[in-house]
Amino acid sequence: AQSVTQLDSHVSVSEGTPVLLRCNYSSSYSPSLFWYVQHPNKGLQLLLKYTSAATLVKGINGFEAEFKKSETSFHLTKPSAHMSDAAEYFCVVTPSGGATNKLIFGTGTLLAVQP
Amino acid sequence: NAGVTQTPKFQVLKTGQSMTLQCAQDMNHNSMYWYRQDPGMGLRLIYYSASEGTTDKGEVPNGYNVSRLNKREFSLRLESAAPSQTSVYFCASSPISLQGYGDTQYFGPGTRLTVL
Repeated sequence: AQSVTQLDSHVSVSEGTPVLLRCNYSSSYSPSLFWYVQHPNKGLQLLLKYTSAATLVKGINGFEAEFKKSETSFHLTKPSAHMSDAAEYFCVVTPSGGATNKLIFGTGTLLAVQP
Repeated sequence: NAGVTQTPKFQVLKTGQSMTLQCAQDMNHNSMYWYRQDPGMGLRLIYYSASEGTTDKGEVPNGYNVSRLNKREFSLRLESAAPSQTSVYFCASSPISLQGYGDTQYFGPGTRLTVL
């Protein structure tokens, strides 16, 4: 069975410093992996996705993530945090195969950005 | 282009009341989904519809029913609301990729439901 673990429920950084949000996954087959962001009282927006192409994936707003099969990780990074990055971030895995797109969500990491 | 829309945005119910959450998408997507979001639990799939005319249970279907009215619309019904169904409900849609998985889901803004 597929699962995803977000290692930190809360992360706090200062504006202008790097961001690292950690995610580990479990999958029997090569997974598809996503990061979604949810700003307060809003829906979810796709940041980036990995679907077995390049292992370093670039997303919107300067975020990127690296798929590391040997470590079963898909950590999200950004070189320099901005106040507008304060939000909740979800790491998501899709079970491989089949004709559906069921997503398995992590429990979320709340990112706070201090001025 | 509205994307995925949901109505209502907010709702308060009493235990035992019924209601239907509406969802519509204008992206011509084949698949649609209903999730609930609870603190510390991420999003959990309630029901999904892989294509028009089909629906299947997700992770937490008990207490809910769905209808895929046409390709655009997918509604979620609570027949007899319970306090445990207090949550934020999200609808999503996606096209079906050639591989059948790994496709992006697009989310609506959510419905905040409180059951007293």
